[in-house]
Amino acid sequence: DQQVKQNSPSLSVQEGRISILNCDYTNSMFDYFLWYKKYPAEGPTFLISISSIKDKNEDGRFTVFLNKSAKHLSLHIVPSQPGDSAVYFCAASGDSNYQLIWGAGTKLIIKP
Amino acid sequence: DAGVIQSPRHEVTEMGQEVTLRCKPISGHDYLFWYRQTMMRGLELLIYFNNNVPIDDSGMPEDRFSAKMPNASFSTLKIQPSEPRDSAVYFCASSLEGTGTNTQYFGPGTRLTVL
Repeated sequence: DQQVKQNSPSLSVQEGRISILNCDYTNSMFDYFLWYKKYPAEGPTFLISISSIKDKNEDGRFTVFLNKSAKHLSLHIVPSQPGDSAVYFCAASGDSNYQLIWGAGTKLIIKP
Repeated sequence: DAGVIQSPRHEVTEMGQEVTLRCKPISGHDYLFWYRQTMMRGLELLIYFNNNVPIDDSGMPEDRFSAKMPNASFSTLKIQPSEPRDSAVYFCASSLEGTGTNTQYFGPGTRLTVL
C-alpha cells in the first residue's frame, strides 16, 4: 500500500506562472515532509521541508503547504522558471524512524 | 564540502557476473541508505545503516544482493550473480541524526545495465 501518493505523473506549466505539485499521505504519524527535485542523470536533491506542527514553510520561490486534516501537502513554485523542469518527489518520515517514504514523483515541464 | 560520492557512474556487465557498487557518504553523517530506481517501481529503499550497522534490509530483493559498511566512510552494494532485471539506477544517500528533518543527501547514482 502506498503511504505517500503523488497522483499526477506529469504537469505542464507556462513559464512565469505558478506550479502546484500535490502529495497525499495516509499515515497520520508522519512528522516531517520533504520535497526533492531530480534532474535526469543526477541524484535527488533536497528542496524544502515542513514539520507537522506547521502549515506553511517558504523558501524563496518555493512554498510548501501542509493540511493535516486532509493529509495533503502541496509545493508551490512562483514564478516558474525553465530550470524548474524536473521530477519532484514528495517524501515523509516519522520522528523516530529515519527512513523516508517516497511518492512516485511528478514530472514538471515548464513551457517557454 | 564534498557530497555523497558513488562509483562507478555507469556499469555494464553480462548476466551472471558479480557487480560491486561503492559509496562514500558525507563526512560525519551517521545514516547511509541504498536505493534503487526503476521506471516500474520508482524509488525503492533497499537497506540502510546507522553507525555502520545494518538496521533494515527488508528491501533487499533477493539473497543475490548484499551490502556492507566496513567503516563510516565507505559502503558497498554487491549483486552476485547479476541478472538483466537488476538493471536500474542505484543511489546512495546519507543523513545526520539530530537535524530534525531527516533530510537525506543523495549521490549521483550508478546506472547499472545487465545484458
